[in-house]
Amino acid sequence: EAGVTQFPSHSVIEKGQTVTLRCDPISGHDNLYWYRRVMGKEIKFLLHFVKESKQDESGMPNNRFLAERTGGTYSTLKVQPAELEDSGVYFCASSQEALSTDTQYFGPGTRLTVL
Amino acid sequence: GQNIDQPTEMTATEGAIVQINCTYQTSGFNGLFWYQQHAGEAPTFLSYNVLDGLEEKGRFSSFLSRSKGYSYLLLKELQMKDSASYLCAVIIIGNQFYFGTGTSLTVIP
Repeated sequence: EAGVTQFPSHSVIEKGQTVTLRCDPISGHDNLYWYRRVMGKEIKFLLHFVKESKQDESGMPNNRFLAERTGGTYSTLKVQPAELEDSGVYFCASSQEALSTDTQYFGPGTRLTVL
Repeated sequence: GQNIDQPTEMTATEGAIVQINCTYQTSGFNGLFWYQQHAGEAPTFLSYNVLDGLEEKGRFSSFLSRSKGYSYLLLKELQMKDSASYLCAVIIIGNQFYFGTGTSLTVIP
């Protein structure tokens, strides 16, 4: 069974540009999560999809971030326009059930550098 | 706010036992997870505790005391490949993980 995959693995862009990150969850997992880790800090929750619906987007930092999951399969996270403080590693995770006891399986992350 | 604390770095010898502590002060508690993360790779699930006590899984064990807001991850018979970052994560409400900053473990020969 394939794990959670993310694309690209690295992205280097200039301030003001747009970047789109993609996450493919484990097949059959309805729950998809985005997290972010900025340098030296802990991994922080951004949002949670159940299928194509946003269940919880309380962690999204501002309206420059837009997450979508059309069709309830893969998800994209767009940053437009990117700012220096957006640099970090963006992780995606998926789980089968929407229970707090259910293990979330993480992807390898996308390392975003904004210059 | 939520507060999850772990030591930043630890070093241990191959073949030995190491205990990585995690303390938390959170508004509610629905479970505590431990993940292992090698550099540049995905965090991988190690263990889950929701009730007090010890959960054992091979060379890895995790302990939880909810009254003390305390957990530890115990690694036995350390191997070089155990050198990694170990993340403590608490679920409070819904499915949001609140992570500690992680403990970087270095295993030396």
